[in-house]
Amino acid sequence: KNQVEQSPQSLIILEGKNCTLQCNYTVSPFSNLRWYKQDTGRGPVSLTIMTFSENTKSNGRYTATLDADTKQSSLHITASQLSDSASYICVVQLGNMLTFGGGTRLMVKP
Amino acid sequence: NAGVMQNPRHLVRRRGQEARLRCSPMKGHSHVYWYRQLPEEGLKFMVYLQKENIIDESGMPKERFSAEFPKEGPSILRIQQVVRGDSAAYFCASSDSGSGYEQYFGPGTRLTVT
Repeated sequence: KNQVEQSPQSLIILEGKNCTLQCNYTVSPFSNLRWYKQDTGRGPVSLTIMTFSENTKSNGRYTATLDADTKQSSLHITASQLSDSASYICVVQLGNMLTFGGGTRLMVKP
Repeated sequence: NAGVMQNPRHLVRRRGQEARLRCSPMKGHSHVYWYRQLPEEGLKFMVYLQKENIIDESGMPKERFSAEFPKEGPSILRIQQVVRGDSAAYFCASSDSGSGYEQYFGPGTRLTVT
């Protein structure tokens, strides 16, 4: 059973709109939780990283939140752009081990 | 500073052939990780290597798969006698230390077995 579950699996929004992606995890304890962006045909690129004691972390238009009590994280994207179309992957790290969620495939339409 | 390099980017092999995938880590990085991404699935850990040593191969299939990271040269992921189920994207990542340090990913090698 995957220990990192993401929802929705796919999402279509209009350019300029905001969206929120969800991640539920059962990996515990963990060192940090990351959100990656993976463009089609490319490797994942880190967007945000949070330790288990952090609640929120921003990187430009990306804001990640973490609730260690409910074991949930979210990634909020504001003022979406066409270039935001990609898969967004929630990853929980413990030591050297990364456990990946299945990703949310986001499509931003003009 | 070049990022993680992988080659080839695309590889086609017939069933039964061998596939060799190469990964050059970022300059200064001595830790290499291999991941496999099956179509429509998330990335799965395969193996973690330091120079000349396999640290963790718990995600590696027991047969036909092997990995090495020699003192000189790139890390190699070798798949012998490939089968159609081996068709996937194989990603390499590197870090400058082990536990907790960020892993930087390469562009991946897309293996197609015909």
